[in-house]
Amino acid sequence: EADIYQTPRYLVIGTGKKITLECSQTMGHDKMYWYQQDPGMELHLIHYSYGVNSTEKGDLSSESTVSRIRTEHFPLTLESARPSHTSQYLCASSEGWDGGDTQYFGPGTRLTVL
Amino acid sequence: GQNIDQPTEMTATEGAIVQINCTYQTSGFNGLFWYQQHAGEAPTFLSYNVLDGLEEKGRFSSFLSRSKGYSYLLLKELQMKDSASYLCAVMDSNYQLIWGAGTKLIIKP
Repeated sequence: EADIYQTPRYLVIGTGKKITLECSQTMGHDKMYWYQQDPGMELHLIHYSYGVNSTEKGDLSSESTVSRIRTEHFPLTLESARPSHTSQYLCASSEGWDGGDTQYFGPGTRLTVL
Repeated sequence: GQNIDQPTEMTATEGAIVQINCTYQTSGFNGLFWYQQHAGEAPTFLSYNVLDGLEEKGRFSSFLSRSKGYSYLLLKELQMKDSASYLCAVMDSNYQLIWGAGTKLIIKP
């Protein structure tokens, strides 16, 4: 069973606020990911990391930043939240092998920006 | 461009069998994944195929034809708890996952 945690689970915040979504995993996985998913839609990759001090942007530009100072921790920061950021944010991790590199997901953070 | 196509919604009866299809066009292929996602929850891994053929795991089986760019997920002896969205995802030549929008499966008693 995957051990990956996200906080908060739900967040309602006003426009212009700075927020950080937390993600931690206890499996020692090298690769970590942030996805954005709207209801009934596909997952869009926002950021990913191959390991400590490695961060890459995904296909979706969401005006967010990430950091990877420790293997187990991969926080996502929105500098200035906007209503268009309202969505479900999913964090995932994987061992980092090529090919059958299964991603395990956290429970998600449902963000609403008013 | 890269795309994954799945039916938006399917309905089946408890105890029956259902097949969910997935077709894909991607730049390169390094395997295909199926995930289950209950409403409001995170996706959970179901299966992985990289070679042609059928992989069986209990009530769930997944099939792949690389030449046709096609996969299906077969669910047998359907239970009410199988009501969920089923996501097809393909790992491309850069080892990034390309996701389909998912198929919402509704199980009726």
